Amino acid sequence: DAGITQSPRHKVTETGTPVTLRCHQTENHRYMYWYRQDPGHGLRLIHYSYGVKDTDKGEVSDGYSVSRSKTEDFLLTLESATSSQTSVYFCAITSSGNTIYFGEGSWLTVV
Amino acid sequence: AQSVTQPDIHITVSEGASLELRCNYSYGATPYLFWYVQSPGQGLQLLLKYFSGDTLVQGIKGFEAEFKRSQSSFNLRKPSVHWSDAAEYFCAVGADTGNQFYFGTGTSLTVIP
Repeated sequence: DAGITQSPRHKVTETGTPVTLRCHQTENHRYMYWYRQDPGHGLRLIHYSYGVKDTDKGEVSDGYSVSRSKTEDFLLTLESATSSQTSVYFCAITSSGNTIYFGEGSWLTVV
Repeated sequence: AQSVTQPDIHITVSEGASLELRCNYSYGATPYLFWYVQSPGQGLQLLLKYFSGDTLVQGIKGFEAEFKRSQSSFNLRKPSVHWSDAAEYFCAVGADTGNQFYFGTGTSLTVIP
């Protein structure tokens, strides 16, 4: 258990509305990540953070923004949700042993 | 460019039969290699990892994997599959800097009685 909590776990929202997913960790890990998982694509990196207020884009960052104002929290925001952003979102952290651990996921449906 | 290939999208095995899931990677340096398992509606759980040393690594739930540098492979094996092993399996490569990871698209395992 890497001490990662994602919220909400399930959400249905309408096209064009903003959505924020929260990732909370309890073990002071430096690196945090947001991935999305879609059939046939596996896991794709959206954004990651290497410290407070230090973030960078991944391969599928368009339409997403992130913020990390505290070590323990990494927020993913969809400014204006689209149907193509219907997906399962996973937060992850990297331990000191260079291993990535995942949260339980957030299921987002955009209708 | 770094990449991970899992050639088998879906595999079906009988309970009690042996299992091998294939993983090939492309990475310029010495890779860190991982296998994860995902049950429906769940997150990804680490099965095992290879960083260095013995090329045959043991993991949880009776799984093992063998690193073959000459073949750029890290195949996952289990001698006798149980119905509870039905899940999605992901292979991953990590950079030795410890903060970049590349995932395969997964292999879905079905276990039939």
